[in-house]
Amino acid sequence: DAKTTQPPSMDCAEGRAANLPCNHSTISGNEYVYWYRQIHSQGPQYIIHGLKNNETNEMASLIITEDRKSSTLILPHATLRDTAVYYCIVRVVGSGYGNKLVFGAGTILRVKS
Amino acid sequence: GAGVSQSPSNKVTEKGKDVELRCDPISGHTALYWYRQSLGQGLEFLIYFQGNSAPDKSGLPSDRFSAERTGGSVSTLTIQRTQQEDSAVYLCASSWAGYSGGNTIYFGEGSWLTVV
Repeated sequence: DAKTTQPPSMDCAEGRAANLPCNHSTISGNEYVYWYRQIHSQGPQYIIHGLKNNETNEMASLIITEDRKSSTLILPHATLRDTAVYYCIVRVVGSGYGNKLVFGAGTILRVKS
Repeated sequence: GAGVSQSPSNKVTEKGKDVELRCDPISGHTALYWYRQSLGQGLEFLIYFQGNSAPDKSGLPSDRFSAERTGGSVSTLTIQRTQQEDSAVYLCASSWAGYSGGNTIYFGEGSWLTVV
C-alpha cells in the first residue's frame, strides 16, 4: 500500500506557483520522498526527490518538514503543460526488494489559463 | 537511445493468444522494474530484477505472467493465454542498483496491450 496521502485534485492559475502537498506520517528515517508526474497515461516522469533537506532542480522545488511527516512540491510558474497527475511516493527501502516505487492515486493538477 | 525503450508500443491480440513485451533499459542500469496500468487505474508493480535475477515477483497477478532478463540488460514480459482483463499499458523502468533509495527510477513510454 502507498504510504502517502495527497488531495485528489487541485487547480492552479497559469503563471502562478503550484503547491502540491503530501502527508507521509509513517515515513522511516532512511526512506526517500519522490515525486513523479504522469500525463495522459504516458510513462511517469521523474520530477525530484529528497531525504531530509529541501531540494531544487530545473523543474521544481521540494520542501520537506523538519519531522519529515509531510512535504510540498512547488512548481514555481505553472504552465498548461504542467496539467498532469502528480504522485508523491515514499520509496520502500530494503535489501532484496529493489526499493520499488509504490504508487497511490496521486493529485490531478489542472492548470487553467 | 538514452532512455528506457519498450516495444511494441501498441499490441492488439486475440483472447487466448500469448504476447511478449520487450524492455531495453538505460545502459548500465542494473535494476529493472515492470508495472502495469489499466485504463483509469493506478500503477501496479509487477516484478523487479537486479541483474538477471528477480528477487521480487510479488506483483505478478497470475502464473500466466512471467518475465526474464538476460545479459543484465533486455527484459521480456510474457503473458500466456491472454484475457481481456490483461488489457493495460505495461510500463518498464530502470535504475542504477536497486538497493539504494537514492537511485532514481526512469520509466519508458509503455506498451499498450489490447486483448479482444
